[in-house]
Amino acid sequence: GQNIDQPTEMTATEGAIVQINCTYQTSGFNGLFWYQQHAGEAPTFLSYNVLDGLEEKGRFSSFLSRSKGYSYLLLKELQMKDSASYLCAVMDSNYQLIWGAGTKLIIKP
Amino acid sequence: DADVTQTPRNRITKTGKRIMLECSQTKGHDRMYWYRQDPGLGLRLIYYSFDVKDINKGEISDGYSVSRQAQAKFSLSLESAIPNQTALYFCATSESGQDTGELFFGEGSRLTVL
Repeated sequence: GQNIDQPTEMTATEGAIVQINCTYQTSGFNGLFWYQQHAGEAPTFLSYNVLDGLEEKGRFSSFLSRSKGYSYLLLKELQMKDSASYLCAVMDSNYQLIWGAGTKLIIKP
Repeated sequence: DADVTQTPRNRITKTGKRIMLECSQTKGHDRMYWYRQDPGLGLRLIYYSFDVKDINKGEISDGYSVSRQAQAKFSLSLESAIPNQTALYFCATSESGQDTGELFFGEGSRLTVL
């Protein structure tokens, strides 16, 4: 079967750095996505990786290793507004998105 | 105003009732989707449509039906609601011809079936 694993919850301190990991086993691979979802709101797109390596976008970076079935989302200079759930999703060989359950990130002052 | 609008935002109903959730979009996208989100589970695809004449079942289509009335409108129906259909439902859109997977979500419709 297809599976996306990410930690259920993480806690970090304002101003610090946090890394949220995602491992996947899917039927084929056509890209990995990270979305941010604040409580009670819709998910919003953060990043897309289809080749190995690091993609940087401001305070957020996303890394992919296809051979290891592994990605991480790195958040720097954490702000209170970064408190949210972070969803990892993989597009399989049929171009269907398979979603992880999300990682709830709690930022403490 | 939101580019993807869902109505109603909240609905409480009883077992056996027919429910319709509506979605409209102003993004001009051809592709539309209905997902449900449950605590501790990932988003699960119910139905999707790549254009007005195209309807496809997703991972969990049983107990649901959809109608694509126009490019901008995609509605989800529960013919006879049951308690395990209590969930947060999201409509989403994406551009056709690009498989980068960027979805644009509505604000969600919270459905409670008693």
